[in-house]
Amino acid sequence: DAMVIQNPRYQVTQFGKPVTLSCSQTLNHNVMYWYQQKSSQAPKLLFHYYDKDFNNEADTPDNFQSRRPNTSFCFLDIRSPGLGDTAMYLCATSRSAAGIQETQYFGPGTRLLVL
Amino acid sequence: AQRVTQPEKLLSVFKGAPVELKCNYSYSGSPELFWYVQYSRQRLQLLLRHISRESIKGFTADLNKGETSFHLKKPFAQEEDSAMYYCAPPPSGTYKYIFGTGTRLKVLA
Repeated sequence: DAMVIQNPRYQVTQFGKPVTLSCSQTLNHNVMYWYQQKSSQAPKLLFHYYDKDFNNEADTPDNFQSRRPNTSFCFLDIRSPGLGDTAMYLCATSRSAAGIQETQYFGPGTRLLVL
Repeated sequence: AQRVTQPEKLLSVFKGAPVELKCNYSYSGSPELFWYVQYSRQRLQLLLRHISRESIKGFTADLNKGETSFHLKKPFAQEEDSAMYYCAPPPSGTYKYIFGTGTRLKVLA
């Protein structure tokens, strides 16, 4: 039973053409995260939502935006993708961000290729 | 800066040999660290966490405050242990939530 679902699994877009990646969860977790993982690198946190509160990482480019219309869904919008945005994008959830024991549950990722 | 460090990018061991994946941290106090694993073509998933004091798939990890380490150990490596392993702090406002750079473990037949 998939608990964190990402769509699409693969996305090809053209340089500068906006793209939206989707994440949904059936865990009813408060927190949803978006990570960027480039080839052979560790996942890099872009931002996260604690309920409706948006928390952006300081070094996340303005080109990356996110929306969370409800508890279950979270979207990653890349307004003008560049070639350097080619990466795997991971969505994750956790029950809360305040507890020190909170495990993150990851989706399978969306592999984005910018041509 | 507060972070975790995994000094080895690649670790190769033979099947049946002991394995130790290193993780050092620079947080003060006793951080509740996690080990995540990513098998080929699978999603990133929790392997074990310090707070649980558990052994998962034969792996254990102990927090050593003196050495500020949280190394992952297994006495006898199996081929199915081959994967990417990440050390990570918990998702708490106290910590800068950054994964370690990861160690690729290859268990050779």
